[in-house]
Amino acid sequence: KNQVEQSPQSLIILEGKNCTLQCNYTVSPFSNLRWYKQDTGRGPVSLTIMTFSENTKSNGRYTATLDADTKQSSLHITASQLSDSASYICVVSRGNTDKLIFGTGTRLQVFP
Amino acid sequence: NAGVMQNPRHLVRRRGQEARLRCSPMKGHSHVYWYRQLPEEGLKFMVYLQKENIIDESGMPKERFSAEFPKEGPSILRIQQVVRGDSAAYFCASSPQTVSNTEAFFGQGTRLTVV
Repeated sequence: KNQVEQSPQSLIILEGKNCTLQCNYTVSPFSNLRWYKQDTGRGPVSLTIMTFSENTKSNGRYTATLDADTKQSSLHITASQLSDSASYICVVSRGNTDKLIFGTGTRLQVFP
Repeated sequence: NAGVMQNPRHLVRRRGQEARLRCSPMKGHSHVYWYRQLPEEGLKFMVYLQKENIIDESGMPKERFSAEFPKEGPSILRIQQVVRGDSAAYFCASSPQTVSNTEAFFGQGTRLTVV
């Protein structure tokens, strides 16, 4: 079954700290993996897209990694800010289809 | 270049009424996708359309739900005879090519509440 699982479900950290979010997927065939940030009441906004051959990709303080062999990805946030409070969603594009398969997200809260 | 525009942002309907959700894709985008998000759940694919054509509607309930993307005007997701279980956030995304190979841009969503 094509699934995307994320952990933890929720996370609370203090401003300035780093954190890492995890994503495991069983989607096949694999096309690419994306991380989105979704603020409460808003639509998802893309952070990174990685294909099979990419191991890591950065976007400012966000760094995503991909291990296509173990089907795992992580999103590392450095020096967190209050505005990082949001849900972070791992999304896998299934090859040869036009479907994006969404994880349920990790809800991050950054406190001062 | 405005982003993906969805309206209304909030919609309240009584059971049995019809809900019409509109989505204007980004300029130059001819691929539109609709997703539904229930509380505490991930987004679920509903339907994929190109101009005047439904490409994939495998995620859309067979009854009461329909979608269109006419040659002129926005894409419309229509829900007839709404029930409480239809209450959800409905997101539209657009892309210049098939979403499997390119970036998808999401609208702010329409929050449907059925009372």
